[in-house]
Amino acid sequence: EDQVTQSPEALRLQEGESSSLNCSYTVSGLRGLFWYRQDPGKGPEFLFTLYSAGEEKEKERLKATLTKKESFLHITAPKPEDSATYLCAASAGGGGNKLTFGTGTQLKVEL
Amino acid sequence: DAGVIQSPRHEVTEMGQEVTLRCKPISGHDYLFWYRQTMMRGLELLIYFNNNVPIDDSGMPEDRFSAKMPNASFSTLKIQPSEPRDSAVYFCASRLSSQGDEQFFGPGTRLTVL
Repeated sequence: EDQVTQSPEALRLQEGESSSLNCSYTVSGLRGLFWYRQDPGKGPEFLFTLYSAGEEKEKERLKATLTKKESFLHITAPKPEDSATYLCAASAGGGGNKLTFGTGTQLKVEL
Repeated sequence: DAGVIQSPRHEVTEMGQEVTLRCKPISGHDYLFWYRQTMMRGLELLIYFNNNVPIDDSGMPEDRFSAKMPNASFSTLKIQPSEPRDSAVYFCASRLSSQGDEQFFGPGTRLTVL
């Protein structure tokens, strides 16, 4: 059974304090690894897709990386507006439509 | 551009009543997905459609749940009869297969069954 585990469950950072979120996955034939951001009361907002080990993608203060067993979301010099829940999801081979989500990391960035 | 549209945004109903949730995908997208999110189980895929045809409904929890997509711009998720354990946030998402694997989510419907 496909499984995605995220850690930590919650993370509190000071503004400017860089850190990383972890996503471990067990998927038969990974097709893609996805990162989403979810704000309270809203739907998940797409951030990145990674397809192969060694791949990296960046967007503003966020950088996502992928290995054969896990993915990291690095947050550099975070700001309060980066506070959200970050979700990781994996899709297996074939059409890549069935996403298995982790339970998320709730990030709070304080002044 | 309009994103995925869902209605209603909030629904409160009593146990045993029929509930219908609605979704309008992003125009031109050929895949549509229904998810359920709870604190205990996180985000779970219920069913998805390709070109209005149901492809995989293995995530639908029980026969009380049904989903339809009568045309490319509209889908419904129906629960009949509803039970308190159905209380959750239900999301609809859509995808354009020619532009990648990314799924784009709507704002969700928060369902409370009393």
